[in-house]
Amino acid sequence: GESVGLHLPTLSVQEGDNSIINCAYSNSASDYFIWYKQESGKGPQFIIDIRSNMDKRQGQRVTVLLNKTVKHLSLQIAATQPGDSAVYFCAESSWGKLTFGQGTILTVHP
Amino acid sequence: DSGVTQTPKHLITATGQRVTLRCSPRSGDLSVYWYQQSLDQGLQFLIQYYNGEERAKGNILERFSAQQFPDLHSELNLSSLELGDSALYFCASSVRPQETQYFGPGTRLLVL
Repeated sequence: GESVGLHLPTLSVQEGDNSIINCAYSNSASDYFIWYKQESGKGPQFIIDIRSNMDKRQGQRVTVLLNKTVKHLSLQIAATQPGDSAVYFCAESSWGKLTFGQGTILTVHP
Repeated sequence: DSGVTQTPKHLITATGQRVTLRCSPRSGDLSVYWYQQSLDQGLQFLIQYYNGEERAKGNILERFSAQQFPDLHSELNLSSLELGDSALYFCASSVRPQETQYFGPGTRLLVL
C-alpha cells in the first residue's frame, strides 16, 4: 500500500543552524502534502503544506520543497531554535486520509 | 491551541471494557477525523466523517465505531478493549475533506 517514510529518524543541530528534514513518499498520485510538528504530550501541530502543482512554498522560517520526479519532500527550518525541538512528521493526503511517515526527532542544542 | 477539543485527556480501563472518546471540531469545520498513535504503529488513520456522514475508513477494527452528530461533534467508541488498544487517540478537523487538518490534544488510553 501507499506509505510515507522518513530517511533519518533523528537530527541534532546547534541553535541558529538551518535544519533539513527529509521524507520520501510512494504514491505518485498524491497531490497534497503536509508537515506537522509534535511536541511531547501534545497533538500534531500544522506547520506548512504544499500541493502537487507547486515545488516550493515558504512560511515563517520554514520552507517545504517537493520533488515529484523522485517523490521526495523536505522541510527546511531556518535559524533553528530550542523551541523547534520536537518530532516532525510528513503526511500525504488522499481525500482527507492522512498517511504519516514515521517521524524525525529534531533536537536543537543551545 | 488548535481549537479542536477532546475529552477525556486520560482514560484508564480494563480489558473487555468499552469506552467513548469525544471530540469537538473547530468552529466552522465540517470534517472530523480519528487517528491512533502507538509506539509500534505510528500515527494511523481510523475514520473520517463529513457533515455527519462517514466518508472514509482506514485501519479501524470492527470493535471500534464512530459517529458524527448533527452539532458536528464526534465520538469514537472502543469496545472489548485489549491491551494492544492502549494508545493515543487523536481527533482532527478541517473545513472540508482535502483541506488542512488541525489536531486536538488527544486522549491517552491505557488498558490494563
